[in-house]
Amino acid sequence: DIQMTQSPSTLSASVGDRVTISCRASQSISTYLNWYQQIPGKAPKLLIYAASSVQSGVPSKFRGSGSGTDFTLTITSLQPEDFATYYCQQSYTTPYTFGPGTKVDI
Amino acid sequence: QLQLRESGPGVVKPSETLSLTCTVSGDSITSSSYYWDWIRQAPGKGLEWIGSIYYSGHTVYNPSLKSRVAISVDTSKNQFSLRLSSVTAADTAVFYCARRFDSWPNYFDYWGLGTLVTVSS
Repeated sequence: DIQMTQSPSTLSASVGDRVTISCRASQSISTYLNWYQQIPGKAPKLLIYAASSVQSGVPSKFRGSGSGTDFTLTITSLQPEDFATYYCQQSYTTPYTFGPGTKVDI
Repeated sequence: QLQLRESGPGVVKPSETLSLTCTVSGDSITSSSYYWDWIRQAPGKGLEWIGSIYYSGHTVYNPSLKSRVAISVDTSKNQFSLRLSSVTAADTAVFYCARRFDSWPNYFDYWGLGTLVTVSS
């Protein structure tokens, strides 16, 4: 299985901050990397697919980058609704695997 | 607007079989390029992919669960279902159904709200 790791596991930030979350795959996955946002008690929501493409309806404040094994999610101008847990997920091969998540809190 | 909704028992006894159904509305489950997946999340934990089904009946399972999992589809009802046998407390989780776009780049774009299944006697 491809193992996904994320750092940091928790990130404390303030409204208006710019934050960056890292994701690493245990082997090259090209750009088969997706990012999801999960608010407590809610289902995950697709933010970014193919490493850098923003899903329809998602604000451009969310930006993804990377290829191969190293990826980043950047969120600019944090707003209260952005405080959530963010997961990366590889779709390169089955079993599809997720990172352990990065919790962004105040 | 596509919607997915999970349904099934909230409590299952150890060693029994967990059964859940996902009802799809707003689109046909026979749409090409989409698989229909199950994903679970144990309390306070991360996300684990369980498996996928295409409307034709083709399935792909996570090897870690393959011996206990069966996913089926009922196109007449626009539903797909999950069966997980021989459950233990470790199978307690919120189970999500999701739609997966199977062509490149392959992602889960719609999710159900999730349903909590507790394994307990």
